Amino acid sequence: GAVVSQHPSRVICKSGTSVKIECRSLDFQATTMFWYRQFPKQSLMLMATSNEGSKATYEQGVEKDKFLINHASLTLSTLTVTSAHPEDSSFYICSAGAPTDTQYFGPGTRLTVL
Amino acid sequence: SQELEQSPQSLIVQEGKNLTINCTSSKTLYGLYWYKQKYGEGLIFLMMLQKGGEEKSHEKITAKLDEKKQQSSLHITASQPSHAGIYLCGAEYNFNKFYFGSGTKLNVKP
Repeated sequence: GAVVSQHPSRVICKSGTSVKIECRSLDFQATTMFWYRQFPKQSLMLMATSNEGSKATYEQGVEKDKFLINHASLTLSTLTVTSAHPEDSSFYICSAGAPTDTQYFGPGTRLTVL
Repeated sequence: SQELEQSPQSLIVQEGKNLTINCTSSKTLYGLYWYKQKYGEGLIFLMMLQKGGEEKSHEKITAKLDEKKQQSSLHITASQPSHAGIYLCGAEYNFNKFYFGSGTKLNVKP
């Protein structure tokens, strides 16, 4: 099946720094990518939808200036957590796919902010 | 993923009929999640099950987790066209591992 990778798989950073997470579709072109966040014992929360070549659409309550999303190509989307704080610690998962097709999920990135 | 087997892969039912989607794990689950995805949109969280034997319902959708915490079913009663979409189960095994099933495409014929 289609493969989606995320990098890094795990990152620890100091409070106040920025962290970039990459989501790549390895063997297909993804016109749409979704970014999710999961808190322990809770469900995935959709953060934003990004379409290649256009601005991301953020879900209500998600700060677009804090979670910068760039989908510059059909195989790469990046999520940058700016000025990270301990409450941003979470598991971030991306998914990629064509608009009318099944989404393929990345393995996730565990972010820990000290 | 190999950790989670979801069946059937696709389903076409007549409006008003009941249907069941299954999700089976090769290992004991920490938590089992059910999601719905409409074509071109993000996942919509439906329910989370964590205890063996647990059952939850929301409107006409019922999800169950078996006592061994390795199998879950999602049951839709009196299906409607609005139920159409892709249903996905997700499982958490430990703090860092989250896996999804392959999804079930549901079409409901009016």
